[in-house]
Amino acid sequence: TQLLEQSPQFLSIQEGENLTVYCNSSSVFSSLQWYRQEPGEGPVLLVTVVTGGEVKKLKRLTFQFGDARKDSSLHITAAQPGDTGLYLCAGAQGTYKYIFGTGTRLKVLA
Amino acid sequence: KAGVTQTPRYLIKTRGQQVTLSCSPISGHRSVSWYQQTPGQGLQFLFEYFSETQRNKGNFPGRFSGRQFSNSRSEMNVSTLELGDSALYLCASSPGASGRDYYNEQFFGPGTRLTVL
Repeated sequence: TQLLEQSPQFLSIQEGENLTVYCNSSSVFSSLQWYRQEPGEGPVLLVTVVTGGEVKKLKRLTFQFGDARKDSSLHITAAQPGDTGLYLCAGAQGTYKYIFGTGTRLKVLA
Repeated sequence: KAGVTQTPRYLIKTRGQQVTLSCSPISGHRSVSWYQQTPGQGLQFLFEYFSETQRNKGNFPGRFSGRQFSNSRSEMNVSTLELGDSALYLCASSPGASGRDYYNEQFFGPGTRLTVL
């Protein structure tokens, strides 16, 4: 059973554009993580959000955790080709088990 | 600090065989989780080990098993391989501490690409 839905599934944009990726669930998570994965490699942790309503910024990336801790968003400003990859959200069920989202495949064209 | 290492990186097996994959976590991390990643199902949780004990388990058949050693290294075994077991198997390492307000951040290895023919 897939508990975390990400949208959009695929996104192809030009360099310099802005974009937002959404991660939605009907379940409450104790924390939520965002990862980026490149082909043939494991996911790389970008950020962990813990508190409802929390906003974290990582250079051009802004992450928000919903007030009810059921959803999250990732906003990228002025996307660059280096941002290309598969973006995954993962919600923690308890402390030790994570449910991953369906993924958003982003391609940024130069 | 060295990252998570997984061996082998690539593996080709035939149906009916068994396979063992290995994962060495980040030094000091006591929790190791295993995931299966396929294009159709995405990333799915297999199980998690902490201090040599399986602490969490996903919804996979008993053909998938694992263990953890006293040095926190972990192995995953798949018996009687099926074509559908072809996937990228990922290992994630985390400190594994407990506590109501504590959250564990996971750090992934590069994965083992298993192909079943």
